Amino acid sequence: DTGVSQNPRHKITKRGQNVTFRCDPISEHNRLYWYRQTLGQGPEFLTYFQNEAQLEKSRLLSDRFSAERPKGSFSTLEIQRTEQGDSAMYLCASSLVGEETQYFGPGTRLLVL
Amino acid sequence: QKEVEQDPGPLSVPEGAIVSLNCTYSNSAFQYFMWYRQYSRKGPELLMYTYSSGNKEDGRFTAQVDKSSKYISLFIRDSQPSDSATYLCAPGPNSGYALNFGKGTSLLVTP
Repeated sequence: DTGVSQNPRHKITKRGQNVTFRCDPISEHNRLYWYRQTLGQGPEFLTYFQNEAQLEKSRLLSDRFSAERPKGSFSTLEIQRTEQGDSAMYLCASSLVGEETQYFGPGTRLLVL
Repeated sequence: QKEVEQDPGPLSVPEGAIVSLNCTYSNSAFQYFMWYRQYSRKGPELLMYTYSSGNKEDGRFTAQVDKSSKYISLFIRDSQPSDSATYLCAPGPNSGYALNFGKGTSLLVTP
């Protein structure tokens, strides 16, 4: 399977705990995006990388959120001190520089109790 | 006013019907327009994308863009129960290369 993969697919955590999600983009895709989707809403942009550089961050990305893409391949999204409002589907997408089409992974569904 | 408006539905049609899904946007700087299909609890799947006003056809799907009125449509011919999903319109870019999604329209095609 050469699509975008995300792990874990589901995560249940208690309020106040830290969680980390991983995204593996399509091979050779140099742009990687994180979005968040809540029930009944479309995905909302969080941040994106071009290679290892984080070039854009949404105002939705509070200080408790941090994303990395250290070698320009996979990326991690960490949420510290989780809150119930963080419960959502976290989606990763990737694309090639020069192409606008973004391909999404299956998402990581987070539930904060 | 949100940048992208989309009627959430649900829209219920019989199998074989022609479906029209619509979206309006407010940012005249948007240059490209995408439609994604999302099945329940899955990631969005790219269906169609177009860069200009006019129609683009791919099999049973036709994407239509009217930049002058900031109106985007997706038509599905000969709809099938397997088309039952949420359809998201996504013009772009916003700052950087982010896509701006509507809320999505939930479609149910009944046998």
